[in-house]
Amino acid sequence: NAGVTQTPKFQVLKTGQSMTLQCAQDMNHEYMSWYRQDPGMGLRLIHYSVGAGITDQGEVPNGYNVSRSTTEDFPLRLLSAAPSQTSVYFCATHARDRWYEQYFGPGTRLTVT
Amino acid sequence: AQSVSQHNHHVILSEAASLELGCNYSYGGTVNLFWYVQYPGQHLQLLLKYFSGDPLVKGIKGFEAEFIKSKFSFNLRKPSVQWSDTAEYFCAVNPISNFGNEKLTFGTGTRLTIIP
Repeated sequence: NAGVTQTPKFQVLKTGQSMTLQCAQDMNHEYMSWYRQDPGMGLRLIHYSVGAGITDQGEVPNGYNVSRSTTEDFPLRLLSAAPSQTSVYFCATHARDRWYEQYFGPGTRLTVT
Repeated sequence: AQSVSQHNHHVILSEAASLELGCNYSYGGTVNLFWYVQYPGQHLQLLLKYFSGDPLVKGIKGFEAEFIKSKFSFNLRKPSVQWSDTAEYFCAVNPISNFGNEKLTFGTGTRLTIIP
């Protein structure tokens, strides 16, 4: 099993460009989440999903969109990238209600110039 | 909303030194507590967890943490650190409400550098 996979590993965008960060899991978990990690800020929850077709906002949702059409995939879209979105993005998955037992992907390092 | 504080932003130690990383949280109810570790270039991994019972919990690689409810603290300790412990360490809190387990809140992280 691959667990949680993320693509790309690195990305550089210009301000105003759009892109989608991909996340896939083969653990058959209902819950999937996106976090961003910034120096001195820890991990902050962007959006999460409790199942296919259901998404909700986390702590820092502005500037990001998500959708969940399948159990396996949970893409994160940046509609118009801004320098403030320069960060490392982690996707995570866990079973129902088991927020404490999350499995993280390897991360995507995004730079917006 | 709950918060998690890690006051040590960057800790530098020599090998064999003892380690204690602080973690305090602000939530008055029942919580589950965790320490995660992120080695350079890798993703987060669970180091240890506390749900209930003995407030002193042991994790992988010789780490332990003590839950002191009266101080809202969950400090991480290791008696003798190794160069391979160089990593970033995150404390996390999972409040338990009437609705069940709530989302995890992470601390800001402590970067640990071990000098050989």
